[in-house]
Amino acid sequence: AQTVTQSQPEMSVQEAETVTLSCTYDTSENNYYLFWYKQPPSRQMILVIRQEAYKQQNATENRFSVNFQKAAKSFSLKISDSQLGDTAMYFCAFMKDNAGNMLTFGGGTRLMVKP
Amino acid sequence: DGGITQSPKYLFRKEGQNVTLSCEQNLNHDAMYWYRQDPGQGLRLIYYSQIVNDFQKGDIAEGYSVSREKKESFPLTVTSAQKNPTAFYLCASSPEQGAYYGYTFGSGTRLTVV
Repeated sequence: AQTVTQSQPEMSVQEAETVTLSCTYDTSENNYYLFWYKQPPSRQMILVIRQEAYKQQNATENRFSVNFQKAAKSFSLKISDSQLGDTAMYFCAFMKDNAGNMLTFGGGTRLMVKP
Repeated sequence: DGGITQSPKYLFRKEGQNVTLSCEQNLNHDAMYWYRQDPGQGLRLIYYSQIVNDFQKGDIAEGYSVSREKKESFPLTVTSAQKNPTAFYLCASSPEQGAYYGYTFGSGTRLTVV
Protein backbone atom coordinates (compact mmCIF):
# COMPACT_ATOMS: atom_id res chain seq x y z
CA ALA A 1 0.00 0.00 0.00
CA GLN A 2 1.11 3.50 -0.72
CA THR A 3 1.62 6.04 2.05
CA VAL A 4 1.97 9.80 1.79
CA THR A 5 3.57 11.82 4.58
CA GLN A 6 3.45 15.55 5.14
CA SER A 7 5.75 16.30 8.03
CA GLN A 8 4.73 19.93 8.57
CA PRO A 9 1.28 20.17 10.21
CA GLU A 10 1.36 23.97 10.17
CA MET A 11 3.41 26.66 8.47
CA SER A 12 3.26 30.40 8.12
CA VAL A 13 4.77 32.85 5.67
CA GLN A 14 4.74 36.59 5.19
CA GLU A 15 2.84 37.95 2.23
CA ALA A 16 5.03 38.19 -0.92
CA GLU A 17 7.58 35.70 0.42
CA THR A 18 8.26 32.15 -0.70
CA VAL A 19 7.36 29.00 1.19
CA THR A 20 8.01 25.31 0.55
CA LEU A 21 5.73 22.51 1.73
CA SER A 22 7.21 19.04 2.05
CA CYS A 23 5.79 15.70 0.99
CA THR A 24 7.30 12.24 0.91
CA TYR A 25 5.69 9.04 -0.26
CA ASP A 26 6.38 5.35 -0.19
CA THR A 27 5.74 3.13 -3.18
CA SER A 28 7.24 0.29 -5.14
CA GLU A 29 5.62 1.50 -8.34
CA ASN A 30 7.60 3.04 -11.17
CA ASN A 31 4.76 4.82 -12.92
CA TYR A 32 2.47 7.06 -10.91
CA TYR A 33 1.12 10.58 -10.53
CA LEU A 34 1.50 13.13 -7.76
CA PHE A 35 -0.79 16.01 -6.91
CA TRP A 36 -1.07 18.99 -4.63
CA TYR A 37 -4.57 20.03 -3.62
CA LYS A 38 -5.56 23.21 -1.82
CA GLN A 39 -8.49 23.35 0.62
CA PRO A 40 -9.33 26.94 1.61
CA PRO A 41 -11.68 27.75 4.52
CA SER A 42 -14.63 27.09 2.20
CA ARG A 43 -13.41 23.44 2.24
CA GLN A 44 -13.67 23.14 -1.53
CA MET A 45 -10.78 20.99 -2.79
CA ILE A 46 -8.89 22.66 -5.62
CA LEU A 47 -6.19 21.02 -7.73
CA VAL A 48 -3.06 23.15 -7.61
CA ILE A 49 -0.53 21.16 -9.60
CA ARG A 50 0.23 17.64 -10.81
CA GLN A 51 3.31 15.70 -11.84
CA GLU A 52 3.81 12.53 -13.86
CA ALA A 53 6.54 10.34 -12.40
CA TYR A 54 7.97 9.55 -15.81
CA LYS A 55 8.65 13.22 -16.48
CA GLN A 56 11.91 14.55 -15.13
CA GLN A 57 10.92 18.16 -15.61
CA ASN A 58 9.29 19.72 -12.58
CA ALA A 59 5.75 20.98 -13.08
CA THR A 60 4.99 24.70 -12.80
CA GLU A 61 1.68 26.56 -12.61
CA ASN A 62 2.13 30.31 -12.28
CA ARG A 63 3.38 30.95 -8.71
CA PHE A 64 3.30 27.25 -7.83
CA SER A 65 6.08 24.83 -8.66
CA VAL A 66 7.22 21.44 -7.46
CA ASN A 67 10.54 19.83 -6.72
CA PHE A 68 10.10 16.19 -7.69
CA GLN A 69 12.88 13.88 -6.56
CA LYS A 70 11.88 10.39 -7.70
CA ALA A 71 14.79 8.52 -6.15
CA ALA A 72 14.19 10.20 -2.82
CA LYS A 73 10.42 9.84 -3.18
CA SER A 74 9.98 13.49 -2.41
CA PHE A 75 7.49 15.94 -3.89
CA SER A 76 7.64 19.42 -2.37
CA LEU A 77 5.49 22.41 -3.32
CA LYS A 78 6.97 25.88 -3.61
CA ILE A 79 4.68 28.89 -3.47
CA SER A 80 6.30 32.10 -4.67
CA ASP A 81 5.06 35.61 -3.95
CA SER A 82 2.63 34.28 -1.34
CA GLN A 83 -0.77 35.93 -1.28
CA LEU A 84 -3.40 36.12 1.47
CA GLY A 85 -5.64 33.93 -0.67
CA ASP A 86 -3.08 31.13 -0.44
CA THR A 87 -4.09 30.59 3.19
CA ALA A 88 -5.46 27.04 3.20
CA MET A 89 -4.83 23.40 3.95
CA TYR A 90 -2.58 21.79 1.37
CA PHE A 91 -2.72 18.09 0.66
CA CYS A 92 -0.21 16.02 -1.21
CA ALA A 93 -1.70 13.00 -3.00
CA PHE A 94 -0.50 9.93 -4.90
CA MET A 95 -2.14 7.89 -7.66
CA LYS A 96 -0.83 4.67 -9.14
CA ASP A 97 -0.91 4.28 -12.86
CA ASN A 98 -3.70 2.00 -14.16
CA ALA A 99 -4.84 0.81 -10.76
CA GLY A 100 -8.37 2.00 -10.15
CA ASN A 101 -7.43 5.66 -10.12
CA MET A 102 -7.60 6.03 -6.35
CA LEU A 103 -5.93 8.98 -4.73
CA THR A 104 -4.04 8.45 -1.48
CA PHE A 105 -3.70 11.64 0.54
CA GLY A 106 -1.23 12.89 3.09
CA GLY A 107 -2.37 14.37 6.39
CA GLY A 108 -2.14 17.94 5.15
CA THR A 109 -0.23 21.13 5.97
CA ARG A 110 -2.08 24.18 7.23
CA LEU A 111 -0.55 27.29 5.64
CA MET A 112 -1.18 30.74 7.01
CA VAL A 113 -0.11 33.74 4.92
CA LYS A 114 0.38 36.78 7.14
CA PRO A 115 -0.03 40.38 5.94
CA ASP B 1 -21.90 24.55 -15.59
CA GLY B 2 -20.69 21.02 -14.96
CA GLY B 3 -19.81 19.97 -11.49
CA ILE B 4 -20.54 17.87 -8.43
CA THR B 5 -23.34 18.68 -6.03
CA GLN B 6 -23.35 17.33 -2.50
CA SER B 7 -26.32 17.71 -0.21
CA PRO B 8 -27.07 18.56 2.43
CA LYS B 9 -24.24 20.87 3.46
CA TYR B 10 -24.85 20.11 7.15
CA LEU B 11 -26.48 16.97 8.55
CA PHE B 12 -27.26 15.95 12.09
CA ARG B 13 -27.78 12.35 13.08
CA LYS B 14 -29.14 10.88 16.24
CA GLU B 15 -27.54 7.82 17.76
CA GLY B 16 -28.74 4.65 16.01
CA GLN B 17 -30.03 6.38 12.89
CA ASN B 18 -29.02 5.75 9.32
CA VAL B 19 -28.47 8.83 7.18
CA THR B 20 -27.82 9.22 3.46
CA LEU B 21 -25.54 11.78 1.88
CA SER B 22 -26.26 12.74 -1.69
CA CYS B 23 -23.69 13.16 -4.47
CA GLU B 24 -24.70 14.06 -8.03
CA GLN B 25 -22.43 14.92 -10.96
CA ASN B 26 -23.16 16.18 -14.47
CA LEU B 27 -19.62 15.83 -15.80
CA ASN B 28 -20.30 12.50 -17.50
CA HIS B 29 -17.54 10.99 -15.36
CA ASP B 30 -17.42 7.23 -15.02
CA ALA B 31 -15.72 7.00 -11.64
CA MET B 32 -16.97 8.37 -8.32
CA TYR B 33 -15.47 8.32 -4.85
CA TRP B 34 -16.35 9.01 -1.23
CA TYR B 35 -13.74 10.31 1.21
CA ARG B 36 -13.92 11.05 4.90
CA GLN B 37 -11.93 13.94 6.35
CA ASP B 38 -11.01 14.13 10.02
CA PRO B 39 -8.75 16.77 11.54
CA GLY B 40 -5.09 15.89 11.15
CA GLN B 41 -5.74 12.75 9.16
CA GLY B 42 -6.20 14.00 5.65
CA LEU B 43 -8.73 12.26 3.42
CA ARG B 44 -9.46 8.56 3.67
CA LEU B 45 -11.24 6.55 1.00
CA ILE B 46 -14.55 4.99 2.00
CA TYR B 47 -15.94 3.57 -1.27
CA TYR B 48 -15.42 4.04 -4.96
CA SER B 49 -17.23 3.09 -8.14
CA GLN B 50 -15.79 2.91 -11.62
CA ILE B 51 -18.98 1.91 -13.41
CA VAL B 52 -22.72 1.79 -12.85
CA ASN B 53 -23.91 -1.08 -10.63
CA ASP B 54 -20.40 -1.78 -9.37
CA PHE B 55 -18.44 -0.42 -6.42
CA GLN B 56 -15.55 -1.40 -4.20
CA LYS B 57 -14.61 -0.84 -0.58
CA GLY B 58 -11.91 1.62 0.27
CA ASP B 59 -9.77 1.77 3.39
CA ILE B 60 -12.53 2.56 5.89
CA ALA B 61 -15.75 1.05 4.49
CA GLU B 62 -17.06 -0.46 7.75
CA GLY B 63 -20.31 1.15 8.81
CA TYR B 64 -20.97 2.67 5.38
CA SER B 65 -22.88 1.55 2.29
CA VAL B 66 -23.26 2.93 -1.24
CA SER B 67 -25.17 2.36 -4.42
CA ARG B 68 -24.51 3.27 -8.05
CA GLU B 69 -27.76 2.83 -9.96
CA LYS B 70 -27.12 5.80 -12.23
CA LYS B 71 -23.93 7.19 -13.68
CA GLU B 72 -24.70 10.61 -12.23
CA SER B 73 -25.42 9.55 -8.66
CA PHE B 74 -23.40 7.90 -5.89
CA PRO B 75 -25.18 8.22 -2.52
CA LEU B 76 -23.46 7.26 0.72
CA THR B 77 -25.38 5.84 3.67
CA VAL B 78 -23.85 6.14 7.10
CA THR B 79 -25.32 3.30 9.11
CA SER B 80 -25.76 2.89 12.85
CA ALA B 81 -22.81 0.48 12.71
CA GLN B 82 -20.46 3.43 12.14
CA LYS B 83 -19.45 4.24 15.70
CA ASN B 84 -17.81 7.58 15.09
CA PRO B 85 -19.51 9.18 12.08
CA THR B 86 -18.90 12.83 12.94
CA ALA B 87 -16.69 14.06 10.11
CA PHE B 88 -16.57 15.99 6.87
CA TYR B 89 -17.49 13.89 3.83
CA LEU B 90 -16.26 14.66 0.34
CA CYS B 91 -17.49 13.18 -2.91
CA ALA B 92 -15.36 13.27 -6.05
CA SER B 93 -15.47 12.08 -9.63
CA SER B 94 -13.08 11.48 -12.48
CA PRO B 95 -13.17 10.17 -16.04
CA GLU B 96 -12.23 6.52 -16.23
CA GLN B 97 -9.60 7.35 -18.81
CA GLY B 98 -7.90 10.43 -17.52
CA ALA B 99 -8.20 10.26 -13.75
CA TYR B 100 -4.53 11.13 -13.65
CA TYR B 101 -5.56 14.68 -14.46
CA GLY B 102 -7.08 14.80 -11.00
CA TYR B 103 -10.46 14.55 -9.39
CA THR B 104 -13.31 17.03 -9.32
CA PHE B 105 -14.61 17.41 -5.78
CA GLY B 106 -17.95 18.43 -4.37
CA SER B 107 -18.24 21.03 -1.63
CA GLY B 108 -18.74 18.44 1.11
CA THR B 109 -21.22 17.47 3.81
CA ARG B 110 -20.54 18.04 7.48
CA LEU B 111 -22.13 15.23 9.51
CA THR B 112 -22.56 15.60 13.26
CA VAL B 113 -23.94 13.05 15.71
CA VAL B 114 -26.19 14.64 18.32
